[in-house]
Amino acid sequence: GNSVTQMEGPVTLSEEAFLTINCTYTATGYPSLFWYVQYPGEGLQLLLKATKADDKGSNKGFEATYRKETTSFHLEKGSVQVSDSAVYFCALPDTGRRALTFGSGTRLQVQP
Amino acid sequence: DTEVTQTPKHLVMGMTNKKSLKCEQHMGHRAMYWYKQKAKKPPELMFVYSYEKLSINESVPSRFSPECPNSSLLNLHLHALQPEDSALYLCASSQEQGANYGYTFGSGTRLTVV
Repeated sequence: GNSVTQMEGPVTLSEEAFLTINCTYTATGYPSLFWYVQYPGEGLQLLLKATKADDKGSNKGFEATYRKETTSFHLEKGSVQVSDSAVYFCALPDTGRRALTFGSGTRLQVQP
Repeated sequence: DTEVTQTPKHLVMGMTNKKSLKCEQHMGHRAMYWYKQKAKKPPELMFVYSYEKLSINESVPSRFSPECPNSSLLNLHLHALQPEDSALYLCASSQEQGANYGYTFGSGTRLTVV
């Protein structure tokens, strides 16, 4: 079935550093891909999405490009802030496209 | 209104208690979801309602009983839970069922079973 694999965390960066969180997927066809963020003590928020190959999703300085050649959807940000500290989940539809299934999550800690 | 509201935010219950979790949205979304999230794990799908009808039950134990009284409201009734059911319960909604739509999540109910 459809699945995503995320890099293990935690990722610890200094403020203004460049961020990459890797996500690779296995899927039938070309489903939409998503990044969600979960701040401490909160629910999940949709960060960005891409609906077809070569699409780039972007929001709040974060970007991810849907690459079918490498089956990847890596999350990037040029300059992280302390306020970006959170858990980031890559997600895609399950095999029947009934609902979202999530990767294991990557915890990001940004130090001042 | 672009929010999903969940109440209560925290709940402690004994194994013989009956309690309910509530979820509400006023975005006109026709699909609503319950997810369970254990500490340091991703959310796991429990139930999906589409147009107020139960569409998916991910083999959830019967001590969890969902209900969708109308298109804006989703409940999760809890009875005779076990300590391992302690988790963050997340409600979400989307325009229609189908995972090509982004979901709007509530902030969750943190449940502790004692």
